[in-house]
Amino acid sequence: EAQVTQNPRYLITVTGKKLTVTCSQNMNHEYMSWYRQDPGLGLRQIYYSMNVEVTDKGDVPEGYKVSRKEKRNFPLILESPSPNQTSLYFCASSLSPGGVYEQYFGPGTRLTVT
Amino acid sequence: GQSLEQPSEVTAVEGAIVQINCTYQTSGFYGLSWYQQHDGGAPTFLSYNALDGLEETGRFSSFLSRSDSYGYLLLQELQMKDSASYFCAVRLNNNAGNMLTFGGGTRLMVKP
Repeated sequence: EAQVTQNPRYLITVTGKKLTVTCSQNMNHEYMSWYRQDPGLGLRQIYYSMNVEVTDKGDVPEGYKVSRKEKRNFPLILESPSPNQTSLYFCASSLSPGGVYEQYFGPGTRLTVT
Repeated sequence: GQSLEQPSEVTAVEGAIVQINCTYQTSGFYGLSWYQQHDGGAPTFLSYNALDGLEETGRFSSFLSRSDSYGYLLLQELQMKDSASYFCAVRLNNNAGNMLTFGGGTRLMVKP
């Protein structure tokens, strides 16, 4: 089954404690992306990747890091989480830079930073 | 910069037709997508318009006017299961490979 998986699905942590949210896709997609979703703001892109070792900033990259060492995996790293990073996070993958080919979204990770 | 405007909420009755509008301002434009998201779920792709006109997929249709920087999603024969949030998103025509910029979403409530 074609899918994007994320782990963990739920996470409560404290300010400053480094965390990683994993994302994996089994569709051999080149393009992957991370979004955060906050009420009334829609989905805002954090980082995206066009291929292995090729990543770039989206609209709200501050406080986040990513890596793309393998085509299937695109982890999101919060080196020092802060309460304003409390949000719902989605990973997505696509054959193309969005649009003609749909983006497949993972189930989401709800992060709370206290 | 870019911005997308869509209504925050729309209410309609079962069996009716509803139109969700989206206007955009972008420095470059490639196409307009629509996504559906049920409460607690992930966004799922509905449609994509790169050219002017209407694209129909079953009960859902999507329209684009590039000259007016405007598009809409039309849902016909509404069903209770159509209650969800709907997002328009633009793909920018830039060489950086950026993916999609989303609007704030329209929450559709379908009533019996």
